[in-house]
Amino acid sequence: DIQMTQSPSSLSASVGDRVAITCRASQSISNYLNWYQQKPGKAPKLLIYAASSLQSGVPSRFSGSGSGTDFTLTISSLQPEDFATYYCQQTYSFPWTFGQGTKVEIK
Amino acid sequence: QVQLVQSGAEVKKPGASLKVSCKASGYTFTSYDINWVRQATGQGPEWMGWMNPNSGNTGYAQKFQGRVTMTRNTSISTAYMELTSLRSEDTAVYYCARSLGGTYYYAYDSWGQGTLVTVSS
Repeated sequence: DIQMTQSPSSLSASVGDRVAITCRASQSISNYLNWYQQKPGKAPKLLIYAASSLQSGVPSRFSGSGSGTDFTLTISSLQPEDFATYYCQQTYSFPWTFGQGTKVEIK
Repeated sequence: QVQLVQSGAEVKKPGASLKVSCKASGYTFTSYDINWVRQATGQGPEWMGWMNPNSGNTGYAQKFQGRVTMTRNTSISTAYMELTSLRSEDTAVYYCARSLGGTYYYAYDSWGQGTLVTVSS
């Protein structure tokens, strides 16, 4: 199975900050990498697919980059509604696997 | 709009079976795969498997092989996930999700609201 490792596991940031979350795959996954945002008690929401494509309706302050084994989700200017947990997911090979999550908290 | 509506919370005893439903609306049910994902409290999501509603073809994570069955009823646009021989470690929120193919690289653009399953004696 492909292991997905996110870092950091949590971070504290202020509104307006630039935030970067990384996701590393245990083997190359090309760009078969998706990012989701999850708020407490809710289902995850798709933000980025294919490593760098912005899902329709998602604010442009979210961006994704990377290929192979190393990926980054960047929030250019953190907004109050962005405080949540973020997960990466690889869909390169079965079983599809998720990272353990990065919780973004208010500083 | 695309919507996936799941059945309600369940409490089960160890050894029992579980069947969760996922009713789709707002799109052609047979055009997109349905995946099932579960999430234990405080943990990341865990992929369980996929089903093609058109063909009925399925693929399961090896961890669940022999215990999970994914089916559908196309006449009512509903997918089902059955899990047998439940144990306490199966306590989690179970989600169905629509998977986009092609250039979306199978990302999940729509999710059900989740079904909380508690396994306890």
